[in-house]
Amino acid sequence: TQLLEQSPQFLSIQEGENLTVYCNSSSVFSSLQWYRQEPGEGPVLLVTVVTGGEVKKLKRLTFQFGDARKDSSLHITAAQPGDTGLYLCAGGVGGGNKLTFGTGTQLKVEL
Amino acid sequence: KAGVTQTPRYLIKTRGQQVTLSCSPISGHRSVSWYQQTPGQGLQFLFEYFSETQRNKGNFPGRFSGRQFSNSRSEMNVSTLELGDSALYLCASSLYQGAYGYTFGSGTRLTVV
Repeated sequence: TQLLEQSPQFLSIQEGENLTVYCNSSSVFSSLQWYRQEPGEGPVLLVTVVTGGEVKKLKRLTFQFGDARKDSSLHITAAQPGDTGLYLCAGGVGGGNKLTFGTGTQLKVEL
Repeated sequence: KAGVTQTPRYLIKTRGQQVTLSCSPISGHRSVSWYQQTPGQGLQFLFEYFSETQRNKGNFPGRFSGRQFSNSRSEMNVSTLELGDSALYLCASSLYQGAYGYTFGSGTRLTVV
């Protein structure tokens, strides 16, 4: 069974701080996706990484896929209240659309 | 363009009943997947449909079933509801099987009493 562990589980920070969320597994994934989910809504795709060692930047968000394609990280620079939400990593294997989701990181950014 | 539409948004059912949830994918998207989200287990994969055929299935009992129609719309059915089936059921669509990245609907919140 493939598992994706995220850390930390909860994170409460002040506006302007930096943070990193980790997503780790003992399994290899062919792709790794990050989503953000707000209460009462479905997850929204932020990024997909497919190559080991790949780094993608999306404004203040930086995503990295581990060299061995077993782990990933999400770094947010100068967090804003609008970044508040549940961050989920999800790993895919092979050509299908079945994803294994991580345990989630609940982020709260306060003024 | 319209997003993924799930109906109904909220549903309350009694133990032992059955329920059908509906999902209309983004126009042109042919792959539809279903997930169950609970506080304890997180997001768990139920099944995936592409071209009216189930392509992948998660580890859920046979009470959970689904289907996809020729217009790519999908339904999932849960029979003999149990209290533990209370969850947010999310539908997600993508262009084709293997396309990276889903677009999720807002989900159907099912409460079993």
